[in-house]
Amino acid sequence: TQLLEQSPQFLSIQEGENLTVYCNSSSVFSSLQWYRQEPGEGPVLLVTVVTGGEVKKLKRLTFQFGDARKDSSLHITAAQPGDTGLYLCAGAGRGTSYGKLTFGQGTILTVHP
Amino acid sequence: GAVVSQHPSWVICKSGTSVKIECRSLDFQATTMFWYRQFPKQSLMLMATSNEGSKATYEQGVEKDKFLINHASLTLSTLTVTSAHPEDSSFYICSGSRVTEAFFGQGTRLTVV
Repeated sequence: TQLLEQSPQFLSIQEGENLTVYCNSSSVFSSLQWYRQEPGEGPVLLVTVVTGGEVKKLKRLTFQFGDARKDSSLHITAAQPGDTGLYLCAGAGRGTSYGKLTFGQGTILTVHP
Repeated sequence: GAVVSQHPSWVICKSGTSVKIECRSLDFQATTMFWYRQFPKQSLMLMATSNEGSKATYEQGVEKDKFLINHASLTLSTLTVTSAHPEDSSFYICSGSRVTEAFFGQGTRLTVV
């Protein structure tokens, strides 16, 4: 069974601060995806990382995939109240059905004005 | 990204009745869809993999007779919660996979009274 450990589970910060969310596993993933979810809605895909060592940027969000493809991080610069939400990392294992994902526990981010 | 539509968004039903939730891929064909359950402020828990034209594959601990899944076409999967009880109240989310990425429906809030 593949597990993804996501941390921290809760993060409460002030507007303008930086933050990093981590996802770690002992398993290798063929790809790793980051989602953001608002209450009462489905997760929305932010990014997919596929190559070990890959770094992707989405405005103030920076996503990194570890060299061994076992871990990933999401860094937000100058957080804003609009960044508040549940952030989920999810890994696609090797040899599994496309779209079958293992989810981390999630990080509830609250950015205070 | 691809679009997955889930219906209804919310439903309230009486204990003992059955409820059907639909998941449609609107702009792509999904041979495989996935059903998740999510409790408040928690991550997604995979319930089952829905395979077009064949039986669904259920995760350990998920009652297949209670959560009936039908995937009759490449764009539609349904989840029927049979003889629902209050403990079945939850947020149910489906996803469809396209290439290596998963796209989620809006989710269905089920409340059993």
